[in-house]
Amino acid sequence: EIVMTQSPATLSVSPGERATLSCRAGQSVSSNLAWYQQKPGQAPRLLIYGASTRATGIPARFSGSGSGTEFTLTISGLQSEDFAVYYCQQYNNWPVLTFGGGTKVEIK
Amino acid sequence: EVQLAQSGAEVRKPGESLKISCKASGYNFTDFWIGWVRQLPGKGLECMGSIYPGDSETRYSPSFQGQVTVSADKSISTAYLQWSSLKASDSAIYYCARHSLAIPQSELDVWGKGTTVTVSS
Repeated sequence: EIVMTQSPATLSVSPGERATLSCRAGQSVSSNLAWYQQKPGQAPRLLIYGASTRATGIPARFSGSGSGTEFTLTISGLQSEDFAVYYCQQYNNWPVLTFGGGTKVEIK
Repeated sequence: EVQLAQSGAEVRKPGESLKISCKASGYNFTDFWIGWVRQLPGKGLECMGSIYPGDSETRYSPSFQGQVTVSADKSISTAYLQWSSLKASDSAIYYCARHSLAIPQSELDVWGKGTTVTVSS
């Protein structure tokens, strides 16, 4: 099983600022990495796939980068609706697709 | 519009069986893998297993192999997750989600709203 480690666990950011979230894989997952956003009481929503491609309808302030074992999700100019929990997921090692533990982005 | 409609919340006693459903619409159900994801109360996301409705090929994460059964009925575009003997530790929210490509090594691009399962004596 590929362990996905996200940091930090909680990120306090002021509206309008930039948030940088990290995800590390225990072994290379190539670019087979996705990011999801989950708000309380809602299902996760796909933000980024292929490490850097925005999903349909996702605003340009969300961007992803990285490959291999180190990945980053950047949210530029945080808006109120962006405060949520973010998960990374590798889908390189199927059928054991693993998620990171999540990063909660909260209002500072 | 592509949608996955999940069945409603369930309450069961330990040892009871349960089958929850996920009905797909807006796309060809047999062309994409469907996965099931567990979220324990206040915790993160875990992939349980996936099924290809076209031929019912099914694969499980080792942690869930033998614990649950994933199935599908392509005649009604519905996937299922079932337990034969529930435990209190099965209490969680269960999501179905579609893999974006015709291969399971792909991201989950459409999600159901989740089914809450509560197991309590």
